[in-house]
Amino acid sequence: GNSVTQMEGPVTLSEEAFLTINCTYTATGYPSLFWYVQYPGEGLQLLLKATKADDKGSNKGFEATYRKETTSFHLEKGSVQVSDSAVYFCALRSPVQGAQKLVFGQGTRLTINP
Amino acid sequence: GAVVSQHPSWVICKSGTSVKIECRSLDFQATTMFWYRQFPKQSLMLMATSNEGSKATYEQGVEKDKFLINHASLTLSTLTVTSAHPEDSSFYICSARVGDGYTFGSGTRLTVV
Repeated sequence: GNSVTQMEGPVTLSEEAFLTINCTYTATGYPSLFWYVQYPGEGLQLLLKATKADDKGSNKGFEATYRKETTSFHLEKGSVQVSDSAVYFCALRSPVQGAQKLVFGQGTRLTINP
Repeated sequence: GAVVSQHPSWVICKSGTSVKIECRSLDFQATTMFWYRQFPKQSLMLMATSNEGSKATYEQGVEKDKFLINHASLTLSTLTVTSAHPEDSSFYICSARVGDGYTFGSGTRLTVV
C-alpha cells in the first residue's frame, strides 16, 4: 500500500541554519505530495505541494521537489527562523481517480533556537 | 480561506461515558470530512471518511460502533466516542476536502480517566 517515511526528529537548529527534512514515499504511479505544518495548539496547515514529477513546491522560503527517481520529496529552507519551530508532516494522495484520503508520515518536530 | 472549527479543544471524561467532538465548516460547504487520530510522537491515522448525508467509511481496524460519525449537514460533522476507555485517550483531528486541498481543525485532546 501507499506509505510515507519521514526523517525522525526532533530536529534542533540555530537561527539562520539550513534545513532539510527528508521524506520518501511508496506508491503506485504518480501520487500528489504535500508538506503540512502544525504549530503548537493549531491544526495542520498546507505548506506546499507538488502534483507531478520534477514539480517544485515553494512557500514562505520552504521548497520541496518531487523526485520520482528517488521517490522523495525532501523539505528545504535556506535560513530558518525561530518562528519556523513546529511539527512538519509529509503526506501523499493516491493518483487513483477518486482517491481523497491523505497518507501521512510520522511528523518531524523542528525547534529553532535564537 | 476555508476554516474548520473543532470543539472542544480538550476534554476529560470518565471511563464508560461518551464524548462528542464537533467540526464545523465556517465559510464553505464540506461535502467530505475526514477524522484522524494522532498518538504521541506518531503520525495521523485516518479513522474514517464521511460524506454528507451518507454513512461514513471506516478504515480497517476502526470500530464503527465505538467511533460514531455523523455528517448530517454540509457544515457539521461529529465524532462520538462511545463508552470511552483510557486506551481511547488520544488527539483527534478533523479535516475537510476543499477543492483540490484540505483544511484541518485544531484538534481535540481526549483524556479518559
